Amino acid sequence: GAGVSQSPSNKVTEKGKDVELRCDPISGHTALYWYRQSLGQGLEFLIYFQGNSAPDKSGLPSDRFSAERTGGSVSTLTIQRTQQEDSAVYLCASSLWAGLNTEAFFGQGTRLTVV
Amino acid sequence: AQKITQTQPGMFVQEKEAVTLDCTYDTSDPSYGLFWYKQPSSGEMIFLIYQGSYDQQNATEGRYSLNFQKARKSANLVISASQLGDSAMYFCAMKEDAGGTSYGKLTFGQGTILTVHP
Repeated sequence: GAGVSQSPSNKVTEKGKDVELRCDPISGHTALYWYRQSLGQGLEFLIYFQGNSAPDKSGLPSDRFSAERTGGSVSTLTIQRTQQEDSAVYLCASSLWAGLNTEAFFGQGTRLTVV
Repeated sequence: AQKITQTQPGMFVQEKEAVTLDCTYDTSDPSYGLFWYKQPSSGEMIFLIYQGSYDQQNATEGRYSLNFQKARKSANLVISASQLGDSAMYFCAMKEDAGGTSYGKLTFGQGTILTVHP
């Protein structure tokens, strides 16, 4: 597809279960970001990948959160032992590179509900 | 301290009128970029306009313009001739250069909900 694709679009999981969220960035984009948006709130940075460089994990809220990006393309965000406070919309974005003036293109997000 | 502050949780405007959405930012980095995104109820984030810290002129994109006042650290979005489809959440965001090692990380404000009345 032409845009950033995220799956699933919605995920309901039981507290304590692990979940995996997937992001397919725009082809050729070297930079990939994960953000979290809680209800009615702004976007909270989670993690950033740029090419083959080590990711910037500074926004991950706990060690239950991890992410990987395989082959410089698809990325998976994993949340282990989910908690109710993890409920949010998880947004993935990609950009051509990580320059100051390059816009990020966002996916539709995955709405995660932990019950 | 908040890096991006949007003080208007909600704004109302009459169709065809102009509206200004406020954004102030906080950075000691001399090189940075400011962005505005629109988020309709469908949830996608749509890029609207960009302003670089060294840009001499205010950015414009169609009906969108950015009122950039560097000394005041403000980057207000002006939407002219509002349309019903402009009703959405609007986010101001910033990238800092971090000494030439910018990772392109965007820091977002809390957003302003704009409602356009017919």
